Amino acid sequence: NAGVTQTPKFQVLKTGQSMTLQCAQDMNHNSMYWYRQDPGMGLRLIYYSASEGTTDKGEVPNGYNVSRLNKREFSLRLESAAPSQTSVYFCASIRTGERPGANVLTFGAGSRLTVL
Amino acid sequence: AQTVTQSQPEMSVQEAETVTLSCTYDTSENNYYLFWYKQPPSRQMILVIRQEAYKQQNATENRFSVNFQKAAKSFSLKISDSQLGDTAMYFCAFMILRVYGNKLVFGAGTILRVKS
Repeated sequence: NAGVTQTPKFQVLKTGQSMTLQCAQDMNHNSMYWYRQDPGMGLRLIYYSASEGTTDKGEVPNGYNVSRLNKREFSLRLESAAPSQTSVYFCASIRTGERPGANVLTFGAGSRLTVL
Repeated sequence: AQTVTQSQPEMSVQEAETVTLSCTYDTSENNYYLFWYKQPPSRQMILVIRQEAYKQQNATENRFSVNFQKAAKSFSLKISDSQLGDTAMYFCAFMILRVYGNKLVFGAGTILRVKS
């Protein structure tokens, strides 16, 4: 199993450009998340999707939009990139419930985005 | 709001020795999970250990163990027989279990350097 796959791994944008980070998981997880990681600040939640067809704001949603396309895919879009959005972005997924292996977040490899 | 505090930005330890990383958290909830994640230079987020708040027994995984003090809201990680491969950023995190939308909240991280 591939787990959680993010694309692209690296991207350089100019201020004002738009782009979409793609994320897919093959573990049949119900919830998916987008985090950003900045030095000294840990991982901060941007948006999450508790289940297919639902999305909710996290701690730092401004400047981002998301789409839960189906159970497998959860994309993050920057409509007009700003230098403050330079960061490493992580997609993650989780299966909630009582079964073994549930309630553990599995991460993608991360995407480094630089906005000039 | 729930918060996680890691008071040690950086730590170092000699190979084969023991080191303890500190973590405190703040929540009024009673049902939650606590985690330690490791992030080596490869940037991949790797689960080290998990603790369910309702369990009094401290979790252990080989050389990794936790000291979970629920009343004090403390969750420290002990690494025994440190190895060079343990060099990484370590994140403490906790997750409140909800019917809808479990969210993982992270601390700022502790950089651990294992010296030979």
